[in-house]
Amino acid sequence: EIVMTQSPATLSVSPGDGATLSCRASQTISSSLAWYQQRPGQAPRLLIYGASTRATGIPARFSGSGSGTEFTLTITSLQSEDFAVYYCQQYDNWPPLTFGGGTKVEIK
Amino acid sequence: QVQLVEYGGGVVQPGGSLRLSCTVSGFTFSDYGMHWVRQAPGKGLEWVALIWYDGSNKYYADSVRGRFTISRDNSKNTLYLQVGGLRVEDTALYFCARGHTTTWYSFDYWGQGTLVTVSS
Repeated sequence: EIVMTQSPATLSVSPGDGATLSCRASQTISSSLAWYQQRPGQAPRLLIYGASTRATGIPARFSGSGSGTEFTLTITSLQSEDFAVYYCQQYDNWPPLTFGGGTKVEIK
Repeated sequence: QVQLVEYGGGVVQPGGSLRLSCTVSGFTFSDYGMHWVRQAPGKGLEWVALIWYDGSNKYYADSVRGRFTISRDNSKNTLYLQVGGLRVEDTALYFCARGHTTTWYSFDYWGQGTLVTVSS
């Protein structure tokens, strides 16, 4: 099973600032990585797939990068609606499909 | 627009069973693989099961294999998860999710979830 590790667990950011979230895979997964946003009380929402392709309707302030075992989600100029929990997920080697433990982006 | 609506959750005793359902609209259900993903209270996401678009292949997480069964009825636009041999640790919000159009194994649309609580 591929283990996904996200860091940091919590990120405190001021509105308007940028944020960089990290995700590491326990073995290489090529670019088979997705990022999701989950706001409180809501279902997750797909942000990025293929490590760097934005999903339909996702603002350009969200970008993904990386390949192999190291991946990054970058959010520029955080808006109020961006304060949420973010999960990465690998789909290169399955079953099982596996998620990281999440990074909570909170208001500083 | 794409919609997924889960139902069938509830409170059940350890060892009990339930059938969860997910009715979809806004897309051709029979063209897509479908997944169940769960989230224990205050915890992260855990993939549970996948069924191919035609029901020909099914895959499960080790934690549920042999106790849960995924199925679908394409004529009714409905996905199912039969959950049995329930344990306290199966308590979670169960989401159905559509396999991504391109990648199949990420999730591009999600329902709002149905809560399963296992308690004596």
